[in-house]
Amino acid sequence: DIVLTQSPVLAVSLGQRATISCRASQSVSISSINLMHWYQQKPGQQPKLLIYRASNLASGIPARFSGSGSGTDFTLTIDPVQADDIAAYYCQQSRESPDTFGAGTKLELK
Amino acid sequence: QVQLKESGPGLVQPSETLSLTCTVSGFSLTSYSVSWVRQPSGKGPEWMGRMWYDGDTAYNSALKSRLSISRDTSKNQVFLKMNSLQTDDTGTYYCTRDYGPTYFDYWGQGVMVTVSS
Repeated sequence: DIVLTQSPVLAVSLGQRATISCRASQSVSISSINLMHWYQQKPGQQPKLLIYRASNLASGIPARFSGSGSGTDFTLTIDPVQADDIAAYYCQQSRESPDTFGAGTKLELK
Repeated sequence: QVQLKESGPGLVQPSETLSLTCTVSGFSLTSYSVSWVRQPSGKGPEWMGRMWYDGDTAYNSALKSRLSISRDTSKNQVFLKMNSLQTDDTGTYYCTRDYGPTYFDYWGQGVMVTVSS
């Protein structure tokens, strides 16, 4: 299975930029298609799709969220961070079955 | 609008079988695939298996021997059955709509399942 590695915690100040990384144990890209996706989960809620295929903003998601990367290294950026963004963030790959998720990065206030 | 809702027992005895239902609205099960994803408390999600739009199924190999997914398109429902439950099967179980299927664009609210005697 493809393992996705995320840093457990990221501390950030409101109004600053947050950069959350996800590293895959093997490439999750096919040609120019990057099969990496990002979700936000607040306590007691279900995950919500933020970014699909590495860099595409899901419907209704604010433009302060963006994604980048290819191959094995991917990044979710939040700029500027707002109080409502304090949550856990998960990456997910669909390059190879089974689909796998990272263990998540908790975004905390500094 | 698209909605998914899980239902089923909150408490299951060890070694027993878990049965969950996902009732969907706002889309057709013959046009979109539906997955089951579970999440232990404080951990990342785990994809369990998928009911494809054409009626085929796919399972996570780690769970395949214990897991069965089926559907009733007339009732807009997808079912999960997993046997031989143990305490590490405790967690929140979600059904999701799959887009592609490469990613999960809609999630149900989840159902908390505790495996305990």
